[in-house]
Amino acid sequence: DAGVTQSPTHLIKTRGQHVTLRCSPISGHKSVSWYQQVLGQGPQFIFQYYEKEERGRGNFPDRFSARQFPNYSSELNVNALLLGDSALYLCASSLASGGFSYEQYFGPGTRLTVT
Amino acid sequence: AQSVTQLDSHVSVSEGTPVLLRCNYSSSYSPSLFWYVQHPNKGLQLLLKYTSAATLVKGINGFEAEFKKSETSFHLTKPSAHMSDAAEYFCVVSVGGSQGNLIFGKGTKLSVKP
Repeated sequence: DAGVTQSPTHLIKTRGQHVTLRCSPISGHKSVSWYQQVLGQGPQFIFQYYEKEERGRGNFPDRFSARQFPNYSSELNVNALLLGDSALYLCASSLASGGFSYEQYFGPGTRLTVT
Repeated sequence: AQSVTQLDSHVSVSEGTPVLLRCNYSSSYSPSLFWYVQHPNKGLQLLLKYTSAATLVKGINGFEAEFKKSETSFHLTKPSAHMSDAAEYFCVVSVGGSQGNLIFGKGTKLSVKP
């Protein structure tokens, strides 16, 4: 079975530009979450979507936005890129939102470098 | 608010010796706790999870963790380290409820010496 897939694998952008990252969840999973992992730190929660609705938002500026499509895939958009946005962006999928046993499966990530 | 603190940023052991990675948590209610592993240039892999069933949780690759409510700890152990265990390990607490996002610790880098 295919796991969580993310594209692109690597990306280099210039300050001020816009970027779109894509994620396809495991088949049957309806929830997608996005995390930012800065070098040397643990991942930080950005967004969670379930059934195309935003269910959670972390402490990130409005330059960050996301959406989920009818096939449950998701996009993360970042506007007006800053050097500090350079990070590994991780997507995770799960069967449902919240619940007693909340298990997420992570993709390999997209490495974004802002110059 | 929920949080986790990984007490060691770097742990070094010799192959064949026990591994102990320490984690303390803070939660206003009974938490769901996880350990994830991240090998270089690879995604995060779930090692094990605690969801208020048995307090001793067994995971993959010989790892296990014990939930101790009185000590608010969830330490990860393995009796005998292998070279392939060298990686970054994250202790994680789930916010749960309608949001269900994960809160990660800062990670512990495990080095295994031959």
